[in-house]
Formats: sequence, structure tokens, C-alpha cells
Amino acid sequence: EADIYQTPRYLVIGTGKKITLECSQTMGHDKMYWYQQDPGMELHLIHYSYGVNSTEKGDLSSESTVSRIRTEHFPLTLESARPSHTSQYLCASSFRGRGRNEKLFFGSGTQLSVL
Amino acid sequence: SQQGEEDPQALSIQEGENATMNCSYKTSINNLQWYRQNSGRGLVHLILIRSNEREKHSGRLRVTLDTSKKSSSLLITASRAADTASYFCAHEKGGSEKLVFGKGTKLTVNP
Repeated sequence: EADIYQTPRYLVIGTGKKITLECSQTMGHDKMYWYQQDPGMELHLIHYSYGVNSTEKGDLSSESTVSRIRTEHFPLTLESARPSHTSQYLCASSFRGRGRNEKLFFGSGTQLSVL
Repeated sequence: SQQGEEDPQALSIQEGENATMNCSYKTSINNLQWYRQNSGRGLVHLILIRSNEREKHSGRLRVTLDTSKKSSSLLITASRAADTASYFCAHEKGGSEKLVFGKGTKLTVNP
């Protein structure tokens, strides 16, 4: 059973607001990821981390930022939300097995709507 | 594109029938994974097949991997209405540890 949690589940905000999407896991996983997904579309990697104080940009350019101060916590922040940021944001984590990807555990996602 | 491509994009079948989905990729891989996503939810890992494996089973799921053709298939046997979901394959991007996902196959199983 996956122990990875995302809050909030749904968020509707106005343009220009600063928001933070929370993601926490209790499995002690080294690797954590943020994916962005529009309805019915593929997932795009926007940020990932291999451990504490390690963060990297993903393949899809994003105006969001992330931090990894604790192993279990990987929040994503948008300083000034815009309607183009409307999407579903999925957090995931995994063990780092021998330098290869092991299976990912996903949170339930945050559906963000920026008006 | 480095991302995998699932085929077909959408599949509609009757309960009891088998469903086959295919995935192609472009880089060398250590493993390939299949995930399921119910509408509006996160993904759930189904099965992982390593590059030195050709076939793997898990319950009603059967996955094959052909590294020479850079392709994989997911077979769901005796489908049920509860199998209705989108199915994604995933693999590392070009030697990195970043996991990239295909566009998915949307499966509808009609009761």
C-alpha cells in the first residue's frame, strides 16, 4: 500500500496568487518526482530529486520550483499562478535501486485550476 | 521523442474479452514498467519487466518485452468492467534515471 500523500486534492485560485502543493511520503524513498498531466494526456516530468538537497529540472519547462530539505517532503511552489498552470500535478517516489529505476508510487494528485 | 508510444490510443471491448496494448520506445533500457490510472487519480504500478526478461505474468496480466524491436505489450485476459482505465508504459530516458511515460491507452470494458 502506497504511503504518499498530496494536498490539497483540488485547488481553485485566482491569477497571481502564490501556491504550494504538498507531497509527503513515509516510505523512506530517496527519489521523488513531480509530473504534470493534462486531462487524457501523457505525464510530463517537471522536477525530480535523488535525495535531500538534490533537485533537478525535468523535461517540461515549468515556472514552478521545488525543495527537498527532508527526505519525506517534496513541495512544489508557484510564485505567481496563471491560467496556463491549470493542470493535474502528480507526485511520486521510489527507491533508488542500484542506480536503476524501481517502481514508482504515486499520490492521488492535485487538480489545480487558476482563474 | 524519448517518450514511449502506446498503441492503440483507445480500446473498447466487452467483458470477458482479452485486451492487448503495445508500447514502443527509442532508447536502451534497464527495465520497462506498466502503470494503470483511473480517471482523475494517480497511477498505480502494475508490473516491471527487466531488459533480460522476455515475458512476465502477474494474475491476469501478461507483459512481453522485445528489446530488439524496442517494444513491449501488455495483455489483460478475461477483462472486467473494473479494468476500465488508462494504461501507461514507462522507461528511463536515454541512460538517465528519469522515468518517462508514454501517452497511454484508454481501455473501456463494457459490461
